[in-house]
Amino acid sequence: AQSVTQLGSHVSVSEGALVLLRCNYSSSVPPYLFWYVQYPNQGLQLLLKYTSAATLVKGINGFEAEFKKSETSFHLTKPSAHMSDAAEYFCAVSGDSGYSTLTFGKGTMLLVSP
Amino acid sequence: DVKVTQSSRYLVKRTGEKVFLECVQDMDHENMFWYRQDPGLGLRLIYFSYDVKMKEKGDIPEGYSVSREKKERFSLILESASTNQTSMYLCASSENTGELFFGEGSRLTVL
Repeated sequence: AQSVTQLGSHVSVSEGALVLLRCNYSSSVPPYLFWYVQYPNQGLQLLLKYTSAATLVKGINGFEAEFKKSETSFHLTKPSAHMSDAAEYFCAVSGDSGYSTLTFGKGTMLLVSP
Repeated sequence: DVKVTQSSRYLVKRTGEKVFLECVQDMDHENMFWYRQDPGLGLRLIYFSYDVKMKEKGDIPEGYSVSREKKERFSLILESASTNQTSMYLCASSENTGELFFGEGSRLTVL
């Protein structure tokens, strides 16, 4: 079965600093990988996805993630944090039964201070 | 834009009540899902459906059932609500691309 580990339930950065949110996965098949963002009292919104094309994936709002098969990682980065980036971020991997079920990590809350 | 609509944003129910959570999507997606979200636990899959009248158990189906009579509608049913079912419930839909489109969530409190 697939699993996803997000290191750090909370990450704090200053506005303008680099954002790095870590995600490691286990998968018995070549995975599809996703990052979602959730703002308070809202559903999840797709940030970006990896589907076995380019290993560096660019998403919305200046975020990007790099797929590293040797490290089974898919870390999310943004060069310069903005106050509006404060939210909870979820990494997800596609399931064994096909590509339409996802297994989610436990989430990382990003806190941005002025 | 894909729109997934959950009928109730906030509900308060009593222990033992029967609870219906409704979800409708407008993009003719084949697949629909119900997740439960709890702090520190992330999202856990309750049930999903690949077609009308078809359902599959997810990771935590106990205490829940679902209904999919029409392609666009997927209902989650709590036959007898309990306090440990107090949670945020998220509905999602997808085609077979893996990407899920989520509703805004239904926050259920069981007293």
